[in-house]
Amino acid sequence: EVQLLESGGGLAQPGGSLRLSCDASGFTFNLHAMIWVRQAPGKGLEWVSSISSSGAATYYADSAKGRFTISRDNSKNTMDLQMNSLRVEDTGVYYCGKDSSGYFYINAWGRGTLVTVSS
Amino acid sequence: DTQMTQSPSTLSASVGDRVTISCRASQFIAHWLAWYQQKPGKAPKLLIYQASNLEDGVPSRFSGSGSGTDFTLTISSLQPDDFATYYCQYYNSHLFYAFGQGTKVDLK
Repeated sequence: EVQLLESGGGLAQPGGSLRLSCDASGFTFNLHAMIWVRQAPGKGLEWVSSISSSGAATYYADSAKGRFTISRDNSKNTMDLQMNSLRVEDTGVYYCGKDSSGYFYINAWGRGTLVTVSS
Repeated sequence: DTQMTQSPSTLSASVGDRVTISCRASQFIAHWLAWYQQKPGKAPKLLIYQASNLEDGVPSRFSGSGSGTDFTLTISSLQPDDFATYYCQYYNSHLFYAFGQGTKVDLK
């Protein structure tokens, strides 16, 4: 069974940092691109960042460029999102997801971790 | 960047109704479209991929159609478990993703 478990969320001050992690199991991790998506309270889904199966290629939404860094460790089946220079508008639930290996749509999601940016 | 626009934002319907949700891309995206269902406090659930392919385990009352820039999600006979918010999503081999703003289906 595919399992994705996010961790690392919590309260941060504006300008602060948080590091989110996604622990994966139940599938061959190094064959799948991975993604972070977030959802502000009461709002829709927003793509944040993606990483290729090897980790060689990374992609960011404009809202994350220059502040967030996505990475993965295929030996540990984990993916991280380092979030710096946090803003109030970064508040929300952050979900990690896996792609369908070769087709790129997201076919499994974690339960999410809540990030709150507030002074 | 490609933008996705869904309509309507909210849809009020009754059990047994046929429900249609539209999604339009700002540029040609071929069949690179997925549909998700999300319930409050839960992660999204994949319903449809490649515009019209039903994900394993998803009831056959859900169907997707369209190509190019205009897409549709149809629920042939709305069931009590279907009251939720639905999102379309553009995806591609460059790992760029874009969601529509969502359509909430609620009880009339």
